[in-house]
Amino acid sequence: DQQVKQNSPSLSVQEGRISILNCDYTNSMFDYFLWYKKYPAEGPTFLISISSIKDKNEDGRFTVFLNKSAKHLSLHIVPSQPGDSAVYFCAASARGGGADGLTFGKGTHLIIQP
Amino acid sequence: DVKVTQSSRYLVKRTGEKVFLECVQDMDHENMFWYRQDPGLGLRLIYFSYDVKMKEKGDIPEGYSVSREKKERFSLILESASTNQTSMYLCASRANQPQHFGDGTRLSIL
Repeated sequence: DQQVKQNSPSLSVQEGRISILNCDYTNSMFDYFLWYKKYPAEGPTFLISISSIKDKNEDGRFTVFLNKSAKHLSLHIVPSQPGDSAVYFCAASARGGGADGLTFGKGTHLIIQP
Repeated sequence: DVKVTQSSRYLVKRTGEKVFLECVQDMDHENMFWYRQDPGLGLRLIYFSYDVKMKEKGDIPEGYSVSREKKERFSLILESASTNQTSMYLCASRANQPQHFGDGTRLSIL
């Protein structure tokens, strides 16, 4: 039973355009959400997060939107750059600052076309 | 910067062997985690620890155990390695969010 879903295994976007990666969740107890970026043969790198008390968080080219009623979040990257080509994982936590591990989606492979 | 170091990048072991994967963090974090990453499955939590000598099962603990004798070190143990444990293993640590990951150990069980 998948609690965090990334329904697009891959996404291709032209350089300079907006990349939108989507994530859905089913567990109403999730209250903290994170996006990680992963290159091959490296560990995931934290990108941006959002608490359930907010609906938007922005950091440079990256913005995460949270729609709690729809149990949906999205990551926007504007403008997309070649170095953004990587696998992006959505992750969720049920206890914000608690000790529990994260529940991850299966990832979306973002390909930025020149 | 947080540094999470996994002792081996690549490891090849045989079926039935006892395998130790080591992870060390340098930020005095209380919480440490072990995940495995498989194609099409994302990252799945195996075990985590919120203090020295404390451990909790994650989503897929079967066939694994862990050891946390010192705060900075968290070991994952495959008691009797099997081919279905061939995977990328990722260690992470944190105080508060977010978790910081090491570069992973690609383990092959032959």
